[in-house]
Amino acid sequence: SYVLTQPPSVSVTPGKTATIMCGGINIGDKSVHWYQQKPGQAPVLLIYFDSDRPSGIPERFSGSNSGNTATLTISRVEAGDDADYYCQVWDSGSDHLVFGGGTKLTVL
Amino acid sequence: QVQLVQSGSELKKPGASVKVSCKTSGYIFTHYGMDWVRQAPGQGLEWMGWINPNSENPKYAQAFKGRSVLSLDTSVSTAYLQINNLEVEDTAVYYCARSDLVVPAAPDYWGQGTLVAVSS
Repeated sequence: SYVLTQPPSVSVTPGKTATIMCGGINIGDKSVHWYQQKPGQAPVLLIYFDSDRPSGIPERFSGSNSGNTATLTISRVEAGDDADYYCQVWDSGSDHLVFGGGTKLTVL
Repeated sequence: QVQLVQSGSELKKPGASVKVSCKTSGYIFTHYGMDWVRQAPGQGLEWMGWINPNSENPKYAQAFKGRSVLSLDTSVSTAYLQINNLEVEDTAVYYCARSDLVVPAAPDYWGQGTLVAVSS
């Protein structure tokens, strides 16, 4: 089955830019979606179809996807961005939805 | 506004069954699919399966085939997840999430989650 690989943790200081990567074989050929999850809460859709933002999601959150890596970029990081982030794709081969293992973003 | 409201926490013994409900409102139920996602304590998100309101032909992740059953009641815009023969390892928060109608993809609205605890 298709595997998505994320770094377990990323740290960033407030005001800086955080980059979270999601690796998968030819992931650039798939549509990637990103979720933010804070402790005790349900996940929230941050980015869909690689780079689109649902209404209400700040422009500080952006996404890109090419080759074997998709990237979530958070600009001007705030303390409230401290959360877990998950990438997700639909794998046509298995007709299954796949999540990455998640990345814990720590705002120092 | 779109809402998915799940049933409350459950405490079950090993071998028992549990049925979690997900009542929806604010959108046309038959225009979207429904994903179910499990999150074990301290772990990541794990896709369990997806059901299409029109065909009611669920897809299941391999790890959840056999003991998990997805169903719908379109008359009350509600989706259900039943897990049979519960094991201690099934202790987790279970989420329903509105998904694409054609394939399981990009669930956009999520329920609040239902904690299922399995203990003897």
